Amino acid sequence: AQTVTQSQPEMSVQEAETVTLSCTYDTSENNYYLFWYKQPPSRQMILVIRQEAYKQQNATENRFSVNFQKAAKSFSLKISDSQLGDTAMYFCAFMKGAGSYQLTFGKGTKLSVIP
Amino acid sequence: EADIYQTPRYLVIGTGKKITLECSQTMGHDKMYWYQQDPGMELHLIHYSYGVNSTEKGDLSSESTVSRIRTEHFPLTLESARPSHTSQYLCASSDSPPTIYGYTFGSGTRLTVV
Repeated sequence: AQTVTQSQPEMSVQEAETVTLSCTYDTSENNYYLFWYKQPPSRQMILVIRQEAYKQQNATENRFSVNFQKAAKSFSLKISDSQLGDTAMYFCAFMKGAGSYQLTFGKGTKLSVIP
Repeated sequence: EADIYQTPRYLVIGTGKKITLECSQTMGHDKMYWYQQDPGMELHLIHYSYGVNSTEKGDLSSESTVSRIRTEHFPLTLESARPSHTSQYLCASSDSPPTIYGYTFGSGTRLTVV
């Protein structure tokens, strides 16, 4: 079974600054996918970024980027130029590459962007 | 606009009542999921379906049941609600394969059993 660990229950960052959210996972699979989801207060959870395990290049989506270290089983999310709208719960999630399409989530990190 | 809809958004109900949480999606996704999100915000998979007339239990044991008679509809039913069922329930759907776009989530139903 896969496990996903987010060791930072809460974090805060000043507006316009950069923040990094940590995520580690444990799996015996070689082919898998990793995701970061954002859940704003009382709003729909949305996909922020995804990474294929077979790709060495780190994924980027505008102000969001990841640092994927496959050997260390680490998948951190960096948010640059933080904005007030980035305030949300952030969940790291794992999906096996084939057969099972279930997402396994970490416990989440509550990020607050301070004006 | 293609989306996934959950109703009701909030529900307060008495112990012993039967409830059905509705989930519908307009994207034609074949896969649908129910997650329970506890007060600590962790999400646990309780049911999933990979197509019509196909349902499976997830990792977290739940007294709820689900049905998938139509592709777009995946309701969750509790025959007799108890205070321990108080939680937020999130419905999600995905295309094939979900490894490309992940899941699309509904806004959730926050259930309180008194």
